[in-house]
Amino acid sequence: SQQGEEDPQALSIQEGENATMNCSYKTSINNLQWYRQNSGRGLVHLILIRSNEREKHSGRLRVTLDTSKKSSSLLITASRAADTASYFCATDEHSGNTPLVFGKGTRLSVIA
Amino acid sequence: GAVVSQHPSWVICKSGTSVKIECRSLDFQATTMFWYRQFPKQSLMLMATSNEGSKATYEQGVEKDKFLINHASLTLSTLTVTSAHPEDSSFYICSARDGGRGLYSNQPQHFGDGTRLSIL
Repeated sequence: SQQGEEDPQALSIQEGENATMNCSYKTSINNLQWYRQNSGRGLVHLILIRSNEREKHSGRLRVTLDTSKKSSSLLITASRAADTASYFCATDEHSGNTPLVFGKGTRLSVIA
Repeated sequence: GAVVSQHPSWVICKSGTSVKIECRSLDFQATTMFWYRQFPKQSLMLMATSNEGSKATYEQGVEKDKFLINHASLTLSTLTVTSAHPEDSSFYICSARDGGRGLYSNQPQHFGDGTRLSIL
């Protein structure tokens, strides 16, 4: 079953602008992860944030986690046309080797 | 980094054909692999959890006799879509974690590039 709900479902911005995507989930989690998927390809892991962390950075990516609101956001700064892809949040509800539960995703289009 | 290889990347076949999809962990051992299905412009839905040396665990609504999973070694899991029909056309993706890098809970899943299955 799907847990996360991404917002917005689709986002179109100009190159150089920042893109913010939000994710909400329903149950308690061990960690939350963001993935990127180019059309017709597999998923690429971007960032993992643990339940006891509030913010994490990786290059132009910034992820926040608010466990009290059961929500997370992914910020991509200074976007590029190559950032065009679908972005999914996924929650890891348990501490073992268990499957992820994916949100519906945000389709980001960055226009050059 | 950990790599998961999936083969084939694209299959077109006639209705009634059985299709086997392979998922390999190239540089780590994976006692557990996950199989997902994705319809166009939708998210990933977990189909089953593949366990090395034991039976797979299927999600509710997934027919185990339709989607046969074999995890015969620590680096290979296969998904066979038996007697495939047009409604089985979809994008199938596998994933696994590298437990050799520490706690599973701190590790991301590594995904194959997916298999696009088209049944005519």
